[in-house]
Amino acid sequence: GAGVSQSPSNKVTEKGKDVELRCDPISGHTALYWYRQSLGQGLEFLIYFQGNSAPDKSGLPSDRFSAERTGGSVSTLTIQRTQQEDSAVYLCASSPGTGRSNQPQHFGDGTRLSIL
Amino acid sequence: EDKVVQSPLSLVVHEGDTVTLNCSYEVTNFRSLLWYKQEKKAPTFLFMLTSSGIEKKSGRLSSILDKKELFSILNITATQTGDSAIYLCAVEASSSNYKLTFGKGTLLTVNP
Repeated sequence: GAGVSQSPSNKVTEKGKDVELRCDPISGHTALYWYRQSLGQGLEFLIYFQGNSAPDKSGLPSDRFSAERTGGSVSTLTIQRTQQEDSAVYLCASSPGTGRSNQPQHFGDGTRLSIL
Repeated sequence: EDKVVQSPLSLVVHEGDTVTLNCSYEVTNFRSLLWYKQEKKAPTFLFMLTSSGIEKKSGRLSSILDKKELFSILNITATQTGDSAIYLCAVEASSSNYKLTFGKGTLLTVNP
C-alpha cells in the first residue's frame, strides 16, 4: 500500500485478555518501529526491527509485551494479560532502513487500545 | 538519556497570526531533528533538519536548527484553522538505532 497500515483501528478488551496489533509497513521499508502514545505523554519508543530481527527491544515496558516481524514486512505487537495502564494509542512507523541517506519515519494511523 | 522539551505546551491564536514553536534537546550522537504534525491520527512528517542554520520551508511553515545551542524552532505564518494540531518534535541519534525520542508536543489551536 501507499502508507503504513495498522489494524484494528480501535480495540476494546477486558483486563486480563491478550491482544494482537498489526502493522503493515510501506513496501520496501526494512526498518519498522513501534511507539506508544498515552494521554498527556509524548510518543514513547517500544521496539525496533531491522528486517526480521529486533536489535532494540529496550522500550518494551514489561515481559507481557512482545513483537515479531515476518518476511521483512508485517509486524505484530502482542500484549498478554492486559492491564488498564496498557490503554494507549499504539503507533507503527517505517523507514527505508538505517544507515542510508536521511529518510524520515512515516507513521500509521495507530490502534487505539482501551482496557476495561 | 536523550531528552526533548517543547514549549509552549499549548497555544491559542487567531487566524492570520504568526506562531513560533520551540524545541530543545539533549542527545548523544545527534543525527537529525524532525517535526511532525498530528491531527486526529497519524503524525505526518513536516521537516527533517540535520545542519545548523539552514532554513527549511514548505509554504507557510519553516524551521531551523541550532546545533550549538541545541534547539529548533518551527514557524507558521498567516495561520489558518487547518493548522490546529499537535506539533511534535523528535530527535534521532545514530547511537540508538535511529529510534525517535519525542517531546510532549505543542497543542496549537487557531480560532477563526
